[in-house]
Amino acid sequence: KNEVEQSPQNLTAQEGEFITINCSYSVGISALHWLQQHPGGGIVSLFMLSSGKKKHGRLIATINIQEKHSSLHITASHPRDSAVYICAVMTGTASKLTFGTGTRLQVTL
Amino acid sequence: SQTIHQWPATLVQPVGSPLSLECTVEGTSNPNLYWYRQAAGRGLQLLFYSVGIGQISSEVPQNLSASRPQDRQFILSSKKLLLSDSGFYLCAWNRQRSEKLFFGSGTQLSVL
Repeated sequence: KNEVEQSPQNLTAQEGEFITINCSYSVGISALHWLQQHPGGGIVSLFMLSSGKKKHGRLIATINIQEKHSSLHITASHPRDSAVYICAVMTGTASKLTFGTGTRLQVTL
Repeated sequence: SQTIHQWPATLVQPVGSPLSLECTVEGTSNPNLYWYRQAAGRGLQLLFYSVGIGQISSEVPQNLSASRPQDRQFILSSKKLLLSDSGFYLCAWNRQRSEKLFFGSGTQLSVL
């Protein structure tokens, strides 16, 4: 079974700060998802990675397959970025998706 | 385009009452369908998945069941709810042989 650990569990930042959320996993994977969960619960898929780096607006996700580690970066953070960010790893078929417990981000003015 | 609908958004039910949560997908055919649960303070956990009509796989033993009466419809049920069934339930889908998942908006279930 894949163990997925995220850090930090909670993060408070001021608007404009650069933010990094980390995810480590224990078993080789076929893909890794970064998800965003807003208050009220709806989840949005931000990235799906199997190697390298992806960028979307102010969000950047990287993955190091050898080190079994991924990071999610937010540049120029904004209060609307406040949410829970969840790392989820996929092994084999999509049904075998293991989630981290999430990082709660609060961005203040 | 593909969309996923999940309802209701919130639900408060007494212990011992039945449950039915529905999830439908539009704009695609033969999707893989999933039910996840997020208990308070814990990560999402896969409950059931289905690769086709009438095909249901359960990941964890529990008080819940799932059914797929139509290609794009996935239903989560219980005959008698327990307090421990409280949580956030999320439906998701992906295309066969695709790793990209799409999530519903979720149902917050409180069993009192």
